[in-house]
Amino acid sequence: QQPVQSPQAVILREGEDAVINCSSSKALYSVHWYRQKHGEAPVFLMILLKGGEQKGHEKISASFNEKKQQSSLYLTASQLSYSGTYFCGTEIVQGAQKLVFGQGTRLTINP
Amino acid sequence: DSGVTQTPKHLITATGQRVTLRCSPRSGDLSVYWYQQSLDQGLQFLIQYYNGEERAKGNILERFSAQQFPDLHSELNLSSLELGDSALYFCASSVEAYGYTFGSGTRLTVV
Repeated sequence: QQPVQSPQAVILREGEDAVINCSSSKALYSVHWYRQKHGEAPVFLMILLKGGEQKGHEKISASFNEKKQQSSLYLTASQLSYSGTYFCGTEIVQGAQKLVFGQGTRLTINP
Repeated sequence: DSGVTQTPKHLITATGQRVTLRCSPRSGDLSVYWYQQSLDQGLQFLIQYYNGEERAKGNILERFSAQQFPDLHSELNLSSLELGDSALYFCASSVEAYGYTFGSGTRLTVV
């Protein structure tokens, strides 16, 4: 079952913050976050495992609420380079590794 | 260079034809995944191989098949091609509990 991302698109000015949500109807083992720029391959940002802690990467961090089967990606003080489409990928079974991706959230950062 | 190599980068072929896409995973990664991404769409999971064996299947058409060889490279075969098969095809590799590393993709255009 495909996870649902919200919002579908966001437009920000440089320096503003954004939150992207990912929700699943199934119990999750892990949630991955990726960023894809137009015409390029998705790039791995971070993975959150069941029972794990909130992760962070420079000004990008994420959380995983196991009870709600939801994950959120936080982009703080956004930079122009953050523009792209963000995908969450969910893994239901530990070790299966097969990811089902959400439909993506298009983030546009303007100067 | 992500370490995952996909060839060819571009492919233009006629309807009804057959093509083979090739993927070499990152050194040490045993899992290979194939995803299809149509224009401005999300990533649709096709199939996963682990150390030479098929591990999971997604929405892969019967006209499509794949295999992973002893040296761990993988091939995706697409036959009886239709216009709707035009898309970006990504290969990714991973080790357990880590993120995917995607190749740069093969852009297939069916005319």
